[in-house]
Amino acid sequence: GAGVSQTPSNKVTEKGKYVELRCDPISGHTALYWYRQSLGQGPEFLIYFQGTGAADDSGLPNDRFFAVRPEGSVSTLKIQRTERGDSAVYLCASSPWSGGQYEQFFGPGTRLTVL
Amino acid sequence: SQQGEEDPQALSIQEGENATMNCSYKTSINNLQWYRQNSGRGLVHLILIRSNEREKHSGRLRVTLDTSKKSSSLLITASRAADTASYFCAILSGGSYIPTFGRGTSLIVHP
Repeated sequence: GAGVSQTPSNKVTEKGKYVELRCDPISGHTALYWYRQSLGQGPEFLIYFQGTGAADDSGLPNDRFFAVRPEGSVSTLKIQRTERGDSAVYLCASSPWSGGQYEQFFGPGTRLTVL
Repeated sequence: SQQGEEDPQALSIQEGENATMNCSYKTSINNLQWYRQNSGRGLVHLILIRSNEREKHSGRLRVTLDTSKKSSSLLITASRAADTASYFCAILSGGSYIPTFGRGTSLIVHP
């Protein structure tokens, strides 16, 4: 079956612009996670959804970052007034249940470059 | 939530040799997961081991967990060039629902 998909695969933007990154989880997966990964580092947690609600957004670095999952499926990560330090690969993962008791299925990521 | 620390940071071996990498953590865990990441396939889940388990196998992979030492190891036997990748441990601890990742071990297997 289809895995987790993310669009776009690459996004180049200018400092100060607004970007949206999309994640399509595996059908039926209730848990959805966003991570950010910089070169040479492991994935850094941003936000976790259980169904439609953000169960934990403690990883969002500041209020320029926001994410939604209005129908409990597709999620969009939104970054306002982008900064060069936002450049990273943004990873989305889904899981069949909450609680981290099941493996996470990761998408290929969106590489964001802020010039 | 706590983060696991992988060791070594980098490992270079010849095809056919075994590769061992370790993950240490500080407080009690619910489970620990190992993932592999290479440029071709992104992050892929390998094995999940729960806190009440000591060893799990999957093909050429063997994971052990020593809760008294707060450490886990991933052994890849008879390595292949295709095993070249970064390997991460992800920790789930306490009441958290968020697996947190370490910095990873970069493995290079020379043909």
